[in-house]
Amino acid sequence: AQSVTQLGSHVSVSEGALVLLRCNYSSSVPPYLFWYVQYPNQGLQLLLKYTSAATLVKGINGFEAEFKKSETSFHLTKPSAHMSDAAEYFCAVSDRGGANSKLTFGKGITLSVRP
Amino acid sequence: DAGVIQSPRHEVTEMGQEVTLRCKPISGHNSLFWYRQTMMRGLELLIYFNNNVPIDDSGMPEDRFSAKMPNASFSTLKIQPSEPRDSAVYFCASSLSRTGSNYDQPQHFGDGTRLSIL
Repeated sequence: AQSVTQLGSHVSVSEGALVLLRCNYSSSVPPYLFWYVQYPNQGLQLLLKYTSAATLVKGINGFEAEFKKSETSFHLTKPSAHMSDAAEYFCAVSDRGGANSKLTFGKGITLSVRP
Repeated sequence: DAGVIQSPRHEVTEMGQEVTLRCKPISGHNSLFWYRQTMMRGLELLIYFNNNVPIDDSGMPEDRFSAKMPNASFSTLKIQPSEPRDSAVYFCASSLSRTGSNYDQPQHFGDGTRLSIL
């Protein structure tokens, strides 16, 4: 079975500050990992994904995440927060089941950005 | 390109009524997922289809919930009879899954249906 842990439910940063959103996973097989963002009243949008290529993955809007197998982590970072980054962020792990694969999502973290 | 289209965007109905949520996946995608999102339970997978066939419905809460996918371009999630505890945002997502390949495409989500059962 696979699972995702996102510690804390809310992170608040100042505009221009570093954003760090933590994600730890558990998987019995080498995982695929994803970060999604959800803006109010919208569905989830893919930020970035790890599929066993480079361990440092760059996504949209200046976000990136690093896969660390030894730490079973896939933390999301952005060097400088912008007001428009305020949203809910979900980490997810896939079981690599091919046609029958499914995602397991974390509980999500709400990011607030202070002016 | 059109994304995943869900309808209606909002639904308010009284307890006991039948509710039907609709989803049109992205053209060419062969996997479709229904999720429910609430403050208490977060994002839950209800059921997913591959090539129009239900693969895993273990997340469907109870017999009042049913889902169909009559063709590759349309799916419904039905609740009958509805109850106040069914109030949530329901998302549909689709993806392209390649049989025999270990490459996994991300899921693309619709904007959801906000369901309120009074």
